[in-house]
Amino acid sequence: DAGITQSPRYKITETGRQVTLMCHQTWSHSYMFWYRQDLGHGLRLIYYSAAADITDKGEVPDGYVVSRSKTENFPLTLESATRSQTSVYFCASSISPTNYGYTFGSGTRLTVV
Amino acid sequence: DQQVKQNSPSLSVQEGRISILNCDYTNSMFDYFLWYKKYPAEGPTFLISISSIKDKNEDGRFTVFLNKSAKHLSLHIVPSQPGDSAVYFCAASARNRGSTLGRLYFGRGTQLTVWP
Repeated sequence: DAGITQSPRYKITETGRQVTLMCHQTWSHSYMFWYRQDLGHGLRLIYYSAAADITDKGEVPDGYVVSRSKTENFPLTLESATRSQTSVYFCASSISPTNYGYTFGSGTRLTVV
Repeated sequence: DQQVKQNSPSLSVQEGRISILNCDYTNSMFDYFLWYKKYPAEGPTFLISISSIKDKNEDGRFTVFLNKSAKHLSLHIVPSQPGDSAVYFCAASARNRGSTLGRLYFGRGTQLTVWP
C-alpha cells in the first residue's frame, strides 16, 4: 500500500527494555521525522533525516537512537525504555518540508511500565 | 524556547458559527505557515497553508490569515461543523534558512469542539 506506515500501533514494554518503532514510506521522500506527542507539549521533534545516512537531533533526542540505511525506512529505537518515554510517537515524511509540509503516519502508542 | 505559540489550548463553538484559531510566532525568518488537523488515534493531516507573500488563503470553509507585522496568523472555519472537532496545530518553517534541514516548528495545538 502506498503511503507512510508505522508499526506497531500499540506497544507495552517494561522499563529498561530496548524497543524499536518502525516507520516505512513508499514515496521515496528524502525527509523523514520522528515526533512525540504529549499532553501540554504538543508535537516535539526527536530526530530527523534529510536523506539516507543523514540524521540529526531534534528537541528531545535523549534516550533515542535512529538509523536511515534505506530511504524508505526510519526506525526509532529506545535503548533502555523509561516511564517518561510513554507517549504517542508519530513518523512523518516529506519531499520538501518548506514547500509541502509533512505527511504523518497514524502513530504508535507506547506505554512503558 | 517555543517559536510557534498557540495560547488557547481549547475552543468551544456552536455549530454554524465561526471558529477562529490563533497562532503567534517569534522567528522573523519564518516564511511558510501551515495548519494541521488531528483526530484522536490518527496522525495529523494537512489542512491549509500560506506563504509569507500572501496575507490570506482560502480553501472552502477554511481561511488562513497572516499578519506579518504582528507575527500572527489565524485559521477561520465558517461555518463550523461537528466533524471539525479536533486538535489543530499551527506550524511554520523558514524556506531560506540555509543550514537547517527544512523542519517545521509546531505549536502545542488547540482543541476545537463544535457542539450542535
